[in-house]
Parts: sequence; C-alpha cells; structure tokens
Amino acid sequence: KQEVTQIPAALSVPEGENLVLNCSFTDSAIYNLQWFRQDPGKGLTSLLLIQSSQREQTSGRLNASLDKSSGRSTLYIAASQPGDSATYLCAVDRGSTLGRLYFGRGTQLTVWP
Amino acid sequence: NAGVMQNPRHLVRRRGQEARLRCSPVKGHSHVYWYRQLPEEGLKFMVYLQKENIIDESGMPKERFSAEFPKEGPSILRIQQVVRGDSAAYFCASSRGTGGGTEAFFGQGTRLTVV
Repeated sequence: KQEVTQIPAALSVPEGENLVLNCSFTDSAIYNLQWFRQDPGKGLTSLLLIQSSQREQTSGRLNASLDKSSGRSTLYIAASQPGDSATYLCAVDRGSTLGRLYFGRGTQLTVWP
Repeated sequence: NAGVMQNPRHLVRRRGQEARLRCSPVKGHSHVYWYRQLPEEGLKFMVYLQKENIIDESGMPKERFSAEFPKEGPSILRIQQVVRGDSAAYFCASSRGTGGGTEAFFGQGTRLTVV
C-alpha cells in the first residue's frame, strides 16, 4: 500500500522567506512524483514532475528534489510571495497500480506581506 | 490547447436523485482518472479508464457509482440515489499514458452538494 505524508500541515510566513515543504511515501517502487498547487475552491495545477530516475527538477523559484530510496521529496520555494499562498499537494504513483496517484493531505501555505 | 474540462462546476442534488459529472480530457489523452476530495480530506482515487474500458475501479464504491469513457464524447461519472455523504469535490485527470515521465493534468472539479 502506498501512503503519502506531508509535513508541515500548515505554514505561515512573511514575504521573502525561503521555504521547504516535505513529502514522504512508503513504497519506493514509483515511476513519478508530482507536486501540485491547489487554490481554495479550485482545481489542481501541476508544478513539477520528477521521474524516479531523476534527483531534482526546477521551475522558476521552485525546486523539487527526490530521494527515491528513502521515500522522500522536498519542495523548495525561494523568495516567497503572497501569491504563493495555496495548498501544496504531493502525489506519487506506484509500480503495481499503473496510472493512479496517491496524494498527501497537503501543506497549507500562507505568505503574508 | 484546452486542458481538462469538467462540467458542471457546481451541482446541487436532492437526496435520491442522480448526479452526472462530465469530463473531457486534454486533446490526445486517452487515459482518464476520477478522484474525490471530501471536506478536510485528501484526494482519493476512484476509477481509471481508457477509451471504452475500465482499467481500475478499486477506489469506487460498489453500489450507486459507475463510470464510463465512451469511444466518442466525454467521460461520465454517474452517482445514483445520492446521499448527503456524497457531497464532495470530484476531480477528473487525464494523461497521455502511464509510466515514467507521464504527467497528469487535472480539471477544475465539480462540487456536488446533496441537500
């Protein structure tokens, strides 16, 4: 069974801080790990996809790393802005159940000016 | 290039009625997934479909729920005889395939309220 845990559950920081969001998963037999952003009442926006053979991916101020053997990923947000306020979700697949994603409960981020 | 389109965005049904949720995947994607997000809970997988086939329905309740992805037209998630506990946000996702490097794209969701 694949279980995904995200820490912390909530985070409130002043603008400009560098942040680290953590994700752990129990079954390391994955193909992909994906980070999403969800705004209140909205859908999910894909931020970064890391294949199991990769160590990290970067997009703008976002950097995600993957340590598959230990079942961990971190999402690093540089120079946070109020517009970054949202819930960040980590999701992994699993080799034995092709296609479906297993989600953590998310980290609710608030960046105040 | 339109993303995943879901409709309606909001749906209100009385207990005992039927709810039909529609999902049109990204153009060129033949893999569709449905997820449910209950209040204060994470997203839970329900069903995975390819054109005209159900690949994995292990997350879908055995009764009252059904899903299809016909050769032509959108994927449909159908909930019969809705109950208050069915109130949730239902998200559809699509992908080009499965395996390494396959990115899933999500729609805006349908928020079902059962009164």
